[in-house]
Amino acid sequence: DAKTTQPPSMDCAEGRAANLPCNHSTISGNEYVYWYRQIHSQGPQYIIHGLKNNETNEMASLIITEDRKSSTLILPHATLRDTAVYYCIVRPLQGAQKLVFGQGTRLTINP
Amino acid sequence: GAVVSQHPSRVICKSGTSVKIECRSLDFQATTMFWYRQFPKQSLMLMATSNEGSKATYEQGVEKDKFLINHASLTLSTLTVTSAHPEDSSFYICSASSSAGVMETQYFGPGTRLLVL
Repeated sequence: DAKTTQPPSMDCAEGRAANLPCNHSTISGNEYVYWYRQIHSQGPQYIIHGLKNNETNEMASLIITEDRKSSTLILPHATLRDTAVYYCIVRPLQGAQKLVFGQGTRLTINP
Repeated sequence: GAVVSQHPSRVICKSGTSVKIECRSLDFQATTMFWYRQFPKQSLMLMATSNEGSKATYEQGVEKDKFLINHASLTLSTLTVTSAHPEDSSFYICSASSSAGVMETQYFGPGTRLLVL
């Protein structure tokens, strides 16, 4: 079973910031938070991951609360091509551990 | 990010035939590859974990004699759906694990859509 909870769907206007929440209240100390997205009929795309500090890359920012029980993925300037299902996944620090996908959040960017 | 390819991208076959799907890591060596299946409007479900040079580990409920996995090299894993039936029609996706220090990020292939008639 997935160890994360996400809203099933969200809408965001093109050009605005999209903030996607994720609850992972049972996360343990050796688990990272990973975010992937899946555009229709494609394989999932890696976005970002973090442990406890906020992270930023060319795609997005990841804000993790101090207690690590929740996080928010931020797409700073959403475009129509960001419409996808976004998955928040927790997994252990080391080893080639399997990813357990929940239902994710279906994000729709509106023109 | 690292690049993972799959071939074919889509395949249609008759019931009772076998279908082989290839998963390749193009610019890195993958000691571990994973095979997922995704039915319409559902999330990805892990089928098996494939380690180079050893037998695959299957998830509960996945028939290992029906879904044959071979991971003969550090860049190639294959999934063979034997005696395919219409209920095997699905979107099959592989991922490969890239070692980067102590962290291992998984990168996914584009998927293979299988339709069994």
